[in-house]
Order: sequence, then C-alpha cells, then structure tokens
Amino acid sequence: DSGVTQTPKHLITATGQRVTLRCSPRSGDLSVYWYQQSLDQGLQFLIQYYNGEERAKGNILERFSAQQFPDLHSELNLSSLELGDSALYFCASSSRSRVAFDTQYFGPGTRLTVL
Amino acid sequence: AQSVAQPEDQVNVAEGNPLTVKCTYSVSGNPYLFWYVQYPNRGLQFLLKYITGDNLVKGSYGFEAEFNKSQTSFHLKKPSALVSDSALYFCAVRDGGSGNTGKLIFGQGTTLQVKP
Repeated sequence: DSGVTQTPKHLITATGQRVTLRCSPRSGDLSVYWYQQSLDQGLQFLIQYYNGEERAKGNILERFSAQQFPDLHSELNLSSLELGDSALYFCASSSRSRVAFDTQYFGPGTRLTVL
Repeated sequence: AQSVAQPEDQVNVAEGNPLTVKCTYSVSGNPYLFWYVQYPNRGLQFLLKYITGDNLVKGSYGFEAEFNKSQTSFHLKKPSALVSDSALYFCAVRDGGSGNTGKLIFGQGTTLQVKP
C-alpha cells in the first residue's frame, strides 16, 4: 500500500458527461501528479500540482482540468467525455522536497469507462 | 526530446533463472531513472531508482538495475526469478535539466512471465 488513495475505483459513464476523480496524497506529500494509462498511448503524464499551484503540464486535453486543495487532495475533472477517454487514471505523490529525483508513489488508479 | 524505450514487449524466463528487462533512454541533461512494477488491477509500485553514484542500484524484492551512461541503458535484473515476479514492468526517466518538475516519461512496459 503506497499511502495514496484514489476514488472511485471504477467509473462508468456516457459520452458527453462530466466526471471528477479524487486523489489523496501520502501524508506530508506536497506534490500530486496525474497520469493516464491507455492501451494505445501507454502511461502519459497529464499535470502536476505542488502545494496548491500548477507546476507542470503534459498531454492534458483542454476538456480536462485539475486542482489541488488546501488540504492537499487533488481532483481531476474530465468533461465532454469521449469514448477515447476510457483509460486508467493514476494519481501519484512525492515528498515535501521539490527535488526532481523524488520518488513518485502511485495510487491504485480509477478505471474510467465511457460508453 | 526525452524518451524511454523498452525493446521487448514480453520476457519469458524459467523460475530460478536470472532475468533481465531492458531499458534505454534519451535525455538532454542528467538522467534520473526509475523502475516500477504493475500487478493486474493494481497501481504502479516503485522498485528502485538511479540518481547518481554507483552504477549498480539495489531495490525492492531482490531486484537491481545497472546504469550504463555510454550505452544510455538502465536494465533491470534479478539473479533468480520467482513465479510471483510475473507482472508488467515500466522504466521511466526524468530529465535533470528540466527543472523541478515531476514529469516522468515512461516506456511502453515489458510483461515478465516467469514459468515454474
């Protein structure tokens, strides 16, 4: 158990809908990262937050947004969902330090199915 | 551009034999290299990382990895494979020259199958 929690575990929804994925980092970790894992794209970095502020952006669609709250939990919002958004979404967190070689610890993921 | 390649989709090995899962990378700055393992329906578990120093890095569950700068490789190894090592393995790199951002670049993954 990495100490990173994600809810829900599974999510089934229809095209055009909006969903919110939630992540709680390990105790004391200030950085939260979101990744998408799909069969065709593999594991792709989406976005990073550090202590409430956006730090880095990857291949995140404009229909997707994220935020990190004062209690350090993070939410990933996916809107106008398309079939191709079906994937496993992982959250990871790393320690207080902002050093680039910090280990990222991953949560169990949220499996999103868009029908 | 940063990239990671895992040239083998699948590696098959008999239990008790040594195993190697290959990884090569490309970054512009100093590489920070990671190995993760993913079991079915689970998240990624951290195995080990290379930052600097000794080229042989030891990690969890008896795994180790060898950093080779001239060959830009970071192969994962284990002297004696277990059936329970069967899983999907990911190599990842972070470019030390990219500032204090957390973007990990992952390889496509290698499925390790250990047969009894």
